[in-house]
Amino acid sequence: DARVTQTPRHKVTEMGQEVTMRCQPILGHNTVFWYRQTMMQGLELLAYFRNRAPLDDSGMPKDRFSAEMPDATLATLKIQPSEPRDSAVYFCASAQGTWSYEQYFGPGTRLTVT
Amino acid sequence: AQTVTQSQPEMSVQEAETVTLSCTYDTSESDYYLFWYKQPPSRQMILVIRQEAYKQQNATENRFSVNFQKAAKSFSLKISDSQLGDAAMYFCAYRRYNFNKFYFGSGTKLNVKP
Repeated sequence: DARVTQTPRHKVTEMGQEVTMRCQPILGHNTVFWYRQTMMQGLELLAYFRNRAPLDDSGMPKDRFSAEMPDATLATLKIQPSEPRDSAVYFCASAQGTWSYEQYFGPGTRLTVT
Repeated sequence: AQTVTQSQPEMSVQEAETVTLSCTYDTSESDYYLFWYKQPPSRQMILVIRQEAYKQQNATENRFSVNFQKAAKSFSLKISDSQLGDAAMYFCAYRRYNFNKFYFGSGTKLNVKP
C-alpha cells in the first residue's frame, strides 16, 4: 500500500530553534508539494518540486524557510529560526508527473512553536 | 489568478439524509480539473471525487456526486445517505489541465447528526 510518509508527526519547539520536517514521497512520484494548514489561512502551497528541482516556492517566507530534495526519496522543509506564527500542520503531497490527476497527501506534521 | 471559494464554513446533516456542499472557482482556462478532498479528524487528506472540465457528464463515486456547471464556474458536492463517517472537513480544489499546481478552497466542516 504505497503512501506518503512524513516525520515527525508532532513537533513542539521553542521560538528561535531550527525545525526540520521530512517527507518520503510515493516511489516513482516525481512531483512533491509542501502545504501549510492553519485555521486562519486554510491550506497554502509553500513550494513544489519536479524531478527534485524547485518549480515554485513563491508561497514560502524566504528569510526563514527552505525546502530541498536531496534525493528522489526525501524532501525536507526547514524553518530557521522558528516563530510562534509558524505553528501549523505541514503537509507533504506527491504526484506522478505533470499529467497526474491527483496528489497523494501525507499525514502531516503538527508543529507548535512556543 | 485562480481562486476557489467555499462559502459555507460549516454545515450539518442528519444521518441518512442528503447534503450539498458548494464551491465556486474563478479561472480563464478552458481545460482544468476539479476535486473534492475529505479531511477527517485524523488530518489525512483523502480524494473523494474529481471532474474533468471537458466532460459534460457529472462525476459520481458511490454516494458522492457532483453538479458541475462550467459556465457558472460552480462545482458542488452532493452526499447521499449521509453516514457518521462522512463527518469531516471538505475541500474543493482546482488545477489547470497541464500544470499540477492545486488551488484549494477554505473548506466546509460537515457535521453528521445521528
